[in-house]
Amino acid sequence: GQQVMQIPQYQHVQEGEDFTTYCNSSTTLSNIQWYKQRPGGHPVFLIQLVKSGEVKKQKRLTFQFGEAKKNSSLHITATQTTDVGTYFCAAAGTTGGFKTIFGAGTRLFVKA
Amino acid sequence: KAGVTQTPRYLIKTRGQQVTLSCSPISGHRSVSWYQQTPGQGLQFLFEYFSETQRNKGNFPGRFSGRQFSNSRSEMNVSTLELGDSALYLCASSFLPTSTDTQYFGPGTRLTVL
Repeated sequence: GQQVMQIPQYQHVQEGEDFTTYCNSSTTLSNIQWYKQRPGGHPVFLIQLVKSGEVKKQKRLTFQFGEAKKNSSLHITATQTTDVGTYFCAAAGTTGGFKTIFGAGTRLFVKA
Repeated sequence: KAGVTQTPRYLIKTRGQQVTLSCSPISGHRSVSWYQQTPGQGLQFLFEYFSETQRNKGNFPGRFSGRQFSNSRSEMNVSTLELGDSALYLCASSFLPTSTDTQYFGPGTRLTVL
């Protein structure tokens, strides 16, 4: 069945450093979404990627969808303390009922 | 537009009891999904309802059930509670099925089983 692996599980960075989290699927995806969950909060939608090789930017955040539509990444440039939280990818497959499967998440810690 | 609401926000139950959680989606949204979140397991998909029909189901035992009403409100029931059911239960709504649309999450119900 569809599996989604997200790495790393944790990342500690100094404020101002860059951060990247990766999401990999065993099967081809129809789309991938990214969510951010602040400590004590609930997941909040960031972006959806649909096209092969798609790249989208939101200020300091860059999202990429792989050419084969099996992997994706979220890159944050010059992290800030407001970036702390857990970043989840949510992948929708092309088979098996089109379930959306969440990755395990990457928890980002930013030290000022 | 009001967001997704979940009731109750906190719940304490004992083993063997049953519990019903409620989720009211954003007005106009027809899809409601339920997730279990625990520190060690992340976000685990329970089920998705779209226009009162269960569209997808995760790998949870039959003790976990749900339903959706004609006004799109959804309830989730867990029978014969176990200690391992302690978790944050999140529901999310979307206009279209979740595989194609943004999910808006509610604040969650924190269930503690003693």
